[in-house]
Amino acid sequence: SQTIHQWPATLVQPVGSPLSLECTVEGTSNPNLYWYRQAAGRGLQLLFYSVGIGQISSEVPQNLSASRPQDRQFILSSKKLLLSDSGFYLCAWSGTGDNNEQFFGPGTRLTVL
Amino acid sequence: AQKITQTQPGMFVQEKEAVTLDCTYDTSDPSYGLFWYKQPSSGEMIFLIYQGSYDQQNATEGRYSLNFQKARKSANLVISASQLGDSAMYFCAMREAFNNNDMRFGAGTRLTVKP
Repeated sequence: SQTIHQWPATLVQPVGSPLSLECTVEGTSNPNLYWYRQAAGRGLQLLFYSVGIGQISSEVPQNLSASRPQDRQFILSSKKLLLSDSGFYLCAWSGTGDNNEQFFGPGTRLTVL
Repeated sequence: AQKITQTQPGMFVQEKEAVTLDCTYDTSDPSYGLFWYKQPSSGEMIFLIYQGSYDQQNATEGRYSLNFQKARKSANLVISASQLGDSAMYFCAMREAFNNNDMRFGAGTRLTVKP
């Protein structure tokens, strides 16, 4: 069966510090991978998605970046965090067919102080 | 443009009763998929049910069913025989075939099941 991991689970970082959140998927090959952010009490906003190693598509301009160094690894990064980067970050994967549901990781709660 | 609209910020239902969570969507793509997710307080997003735009019958998964009215562009989630564990945020989402990596989520509905 497929599983998706995210770490860390929670993170408190000062403004201006760097960020690295990691997501890994097990039990599947060549998944589509996604990073979402959820502000408190809000819906999900798609940040990045990837259809393959080294292939990253950005949905919104921001100070965040994403990388996919391996087939089942997806990393969300920032060189300098802003207060507005606080939120709940969710990684998800899906198959490559049409209308496949996305399966989400447990999330990382980021607080920027 | 807002693609998914959930007009109920919060809903209450008595245990063992049924509840309907509303979702309307907007698309010009004839091929799309509609999804419902549950997010308990732990934060994980749990996939519940899927409806394809060409599906002739409403989707059902256990106590969950999707009331799909294509002409009205609505995809309401019906939960039958509510349980205390159903208390959570519920999100409606849509993915269009022309850009099937972009899943748009509604703002969510917080469901509280009363004992």
